[in-house]
Order: sequence, then structure tokens, then C-alpha cells
Amino acid sequence: EPEVTQTPSHQVTQMGQEVILRCVPISNHLYFYWYRQILGQKVEFLVSFYNNEISEKSEIFDDQFSVERPDGSNFTLKIRSTKLEDSAMYFCASSDPSGSMHDWPQHFGDGTRLSIL
Amino acid sequence: GEDVEQSLFLSVREGDSSVINCTYTDSSSTYLYWYKQEPGAGLQLLTYIFSNMDMKQDQRLTVLLNKKDKHLSLRIADTQTGDSAIYFCAESLYGQNFVFGPGTRLSVLP
Repeated sequence: EPEVTQTPSHQVTQMGQEVILRCVPISNHLYFYWYRQILGQKVEFLVSFYNNEISEKSEIFDDQFSVERPDGSNFTLKIRSTKLEDSAMYFCASSDPSGSMHDWPQHFGDGTRLSIL
Repeated sequence: GEDVEQSLFLSVREGDSSVINCTYTDSSSTYLYWYKQEPGAGLQLLTYIFSNMDMKQDQRLTVLLNKKDKHLSLRIADTQTGDSAIYFCAESLYGQNFVFGPGTRLSVLP
């Protein structure tokens, strides 16, 4: 069964450095998402992306964050100048609400654990 | 804004049924979901239900939706140790704008 893949599984970065988290959504999906989960807390929505532009973003998704679909398969989340509080698990998801019933719900990757030192 | 609430912990004995409850506030939600998260892993979609349904059964899983009370439950029959995980309830409008609950940690005792 197709799945969302994320790399790396764990990223350790010095505070103030830029980090790029990568995702390969399910190939026929059209909507892409990033979420984060701070250890022990809720899964929080960051941003949704459709038709090569951001369709919705949360208050968390400030100017330090950006997303890009650089080619036909990858979807990236960039944090420009990381802070300690950016340490979290970051999940990518994809869906296709106009497709078959199986593709309506969001399908999640296994996440990237980002540790800021 | 929208909010989704769940009890945080549930312990059951192996072989018993587990019932995990969830309440939500957004009456315009069209889809409601249950995701499972095992330690160190991602979110695995278990099942989902459309808001015009009141029940869905899928093998050991039964989802009940009371739209009037905005209450969703997940029943796991014959709970096994492999079912130990955190279970997240989530709601959305037309498959987008997911709002997750805090998760219920299910512990299955031998």
C-alpha cells in the first residue's frame, strides 16, 4: 500500500541553524500538510498546501517556517533559524479529498524527530 | 475555535473490550477519525466515519457517533497487548483542517 515517507527520521541541529525536513507524499495525492507534536502534547496543525501554494496555516507557522514542493515528488518544511522550542516530532500528511474514498483521510508519515541543541 | 477532548488514560485486561471516548465542538465536522500511535512511530489511520453515519464496524473496531451530543467512541473488541498505544480522535471539514484530541493512552494488562 502506498505510504508517506519522511526523512530523516531524526535530525539534531544547533539553535539558530536552518533545517529542512523532507517528505514524499503518496503519489496521486494533491493536498499536503505538516503537523508537529511536542513531546507529550497534542498533534498541532502547521500548514496545508495545494496547487503549489499554502491553502491554510496556523499561528505556529510564522515567518521562520516555509514549505516548498521543489519537484513532482518532494514536499519540504524549512525552519530558517531554529529555536529550542522547535524541538518536536514533525509529521507530514497527504490526502486527496476528490479521489477515491481511501484517499479522503489524511495519511501520515512516521515523522521526523527534530532536536534543537 | 474547534476543540476535541479525550480522556488521557485507559487500562484494560487482555481479552476485554476497550472503549475510548471523544467529544468535539465543531458541529460542521464532516469526517471523524481514529489514529493509533505506537511509541516512537507515526500516526496510523485506524478508521474514520462520515458525519451522516452513526456506526461503522471494521473487524475488531466499532465506531459510534452521536452527532447530537458530538460524541465519538472507538470500541476495540478482544483487546490484545499489541493494541497498547495512544489513540487520537480527530475531526475535519471535508478532509482538511484537522483538529486532534490530546490522545488516550491505552494500556493492555496481561
